[in-house]
Amino acid sequence: DTGVSQDPRHKITKRGQNVTFRCDPISEHNRLYWYRQTLGQGPEFLTYFQNEAQLEKSRLLSDRFSAERPKGSFSTLEIQRTEQGDSAMYLCASSSRRTSGGALSGELFFGEGSRLTVL
Amino acid sequence: AQKVTQAQTEISVVEKEDVTLDCVYETRDTTYYLFWYKQPPSGELVFLIRRNSFDEQNEISGRYSWNFQKSTSSFNFTITASQVVDSAVYFCALSGSEGNNRLAFGKGNQVVVIP
Repeated sequence: DTGVSQDPRHKITKRGQNVTFRCDPISEHNRLYWYRQTLGQGPEFLTYFQNEAQLEKSRLLSDRFSAERPKGSFSTLEIQRTEQGDSAMYLCASSSRRTSGGALSGELFFGEGSRLTVL
Repeated sequence: AQKVTQAQTEISVVEKEDVTLDCVYETRDTTYYLFWYKQPPSGELVFLIRRNSFDEQNEISGRYSWNFQKSTSSFNFTITASQVVDSAVYFCALSGSEGNNRLAFGKGNQVVVIP
């Protein structure tokens, strides 16, 4: 499978604990995105990387959240001191700036998500 | 700020009927991009279609078609001859001039196709 993969798929934790999610994008994609989706809502943008540079962060990304993409390949999203409000599906997506033909690509390829439940 | 509104929440249709999903958007950008994504029960969002703001030509792709009207800021999506496998949540999304940066999603439409 050469799609976007996320790990773990499910995480249950107690309030106050730290959790880390990993995303492996499609190998030739230089852009990587994190979104958060709560029940009954659409995904909300959190942050994105171009190669190893974190270019934009949403106001949703509080100080307890940190994302990295150290070598421009996989990315991690860490949540420190989790709160019940952090319970959600965390989605990772990747894209290529341009297609092989040079056209602007608008397609994001999403992983299956990491579902976090904070008790 | 970008905003996408999908008014209907759950839509049930009998197999082989057509289903149309409404999407209204707000943006101050003169160049923007509109998308439809499908989210089956597995959770993975699947890209369906993308439209540029400067191209209002409506198209058909297989059983999917869309109606983009800039004058009413609408980007409606139709599934023709629905099948059980079409049961999913469908999201309309909008991004600014970069095209694939910071997608703003609507709340989604749950489509249930009854065999």
